[in-house]
Amino acid sequence: GNSVTQMEGPVTLSEEAFLTINCTYTATGYPSLFWYVQYPGEGLQLLLKATKADDKGSNKGFEATYRKETTSFHLEKGSVQVSDSAVYFCALSDHQAGTALIFGKGTTLSVSS
Amino acid sequence: GAVVSQHPSRVICKSGTSVKIECRSLDFQATTMFWYRQFPKQSLMLMATSNEGSKATYEQGVEKDKFLINHASLTLSTLTVTSAHPEDSSFYICSARDRGTIEKLFFGSGTQLSVL
Repeated sequence: GNSVTQMEGPVTLSEEAFLTINCTYTATGYPSLFWYVQYPGEGLQLLLKATKADDKGSNKGFEATYRKETTSFHLEKGSVQVSDSAVYFCALSDHQAGTALIFGKGTTLSVSS
Repeated sequence: GAVVSQHPSRVICKSGTSVKIECRSLDFQATTMFWYRQFPKQSLMLMATSNEGSKATYEQGVEKDKFLINHASLTLSTLTVTSAHPEDSSFYICSARDRGTIEKLFFGSGTQLSVL
């Protein structure tokens, strides 16, 4: 079945450090891929998405490229800020199964000044 | 942007009691709502999908008589955990989809249920 595997946290970084959170997936067909972010006390928010191979999603300095050959969608940011501290979820949508999302376990990021 | 309000954010109850969790779309009509649960350090697991005015579709392994879902209006869905037991303790999250594509999918802030 479809699944998403993302690196376990927590990830602890200093401000302005480079961030990578790995995400790989297993899916039939050609899913859409997403990164969601959950700030403390808030709901999940869509951070970025990619709908086909080689697409690059980007938002707020974060980027992720849909790599079909490695079935990956790693999240990167060149210089993190304290305000980026949150839980990040990688997810996929199997269009054949409808629009419910399949999530990874989430990775907690803590950025200190 | 679109907001989904989920209430309560935290609830503690005694074993055997029922707990109702509400999920409201505040500024859009949610034709479809999804209910997820999350155990510590685990993925969000889809429990059920509900469309306004029709019965919910439950995922395999989810007891429909234990987790009652009602989606009576385009802005409100409720999840009732009936006769709760300690193993039902979990984090429950709702999401609501506006008309259109998956990009118009919004999440509540979740409910932490603790059953004593």
